[in-house]
Amino acid sequence: NAGVTQTPKFQVLKTGQSMTLQCAQDMNHNSMYWYRQDPGMGLRLIYYSASEGTTDKGEVPNGYNVSRLNKREFSLRLESAAPSQTSVYFCATLPRPVADLSGANVLTFGAGSRLTVL
Amino acid sequence: QKEVEQDPGPLSVPEGAIVSLNCTYSNSAFQYFMWYRQYSRKGPELLMYTYSSGNKEDGRFTAQVDKSSKYISLFIRDSQPSDSATYLCAMRSTGGFKTIFGAGTRLFVKA
Repeated sequence: NAGVTQTPKFQVLKTGQSMTLQCAQDMNHNSMYWYRQDPGMGLRLIYYSASEGTTDKGEVPNGYNVSRLNKREFSLRLESAAPSQTSVYFCATLPRPVADLSGANVLTFGAGSRLTVL
Repeated sequence: QKEVEQDPGPLSVPEGAIVSLNCTYSNSAFQYFMWYRQYSRKGPELLMYTYSSGNKEDGRFTAQVDKSSKYISLFIRDSQPSDSATYLCAMRSTGGFKTIFGAGTRLFVKA
């Protein structure tokens, strides 16, 4: 039971290159999220997927695209990387529908993907 | 103004001290309040959560929510060097998909 798995863990890109960050979960959770974490800024939501087949923008979606491939997988794509996208990216999942308040219905995070854009 | 404000610190305390970490927020719709702990180069992990107002205790940790003041706190008793980490507050409205995070407070507990 691996939980939330992110690949790659580290990546260095040149400006203008593209890449995809992969996220997979084996917990049968409905909702999946991509956050970025920068010093002093906390975690900021890029995109989320409330359920398989749906995606929505978060706080900082510009320069990113996402795909909810199936219930397990949610990928984040940078089409033309910029130095401002240098960050640590976290994938997270929410186990049950948001209206379900029974027990800990809170985000579970992956280990992160460190991206540097030169 | 950010929806959630948290002093980034750093906060340095001696071993055994009581630590108080705080966040303020502006959105009165927030009902679900969480504290995450994040060690260096790791993902955030849930420490505690509370729904609506009140206190919750788990071992050395106590979470408090004061909705009238839009203020939440995390207290750590008998702090240990292993508590050295970044502590992130987070909150969400009932039925809301988006969890909003504070900037995180870096805590150092000196042996």
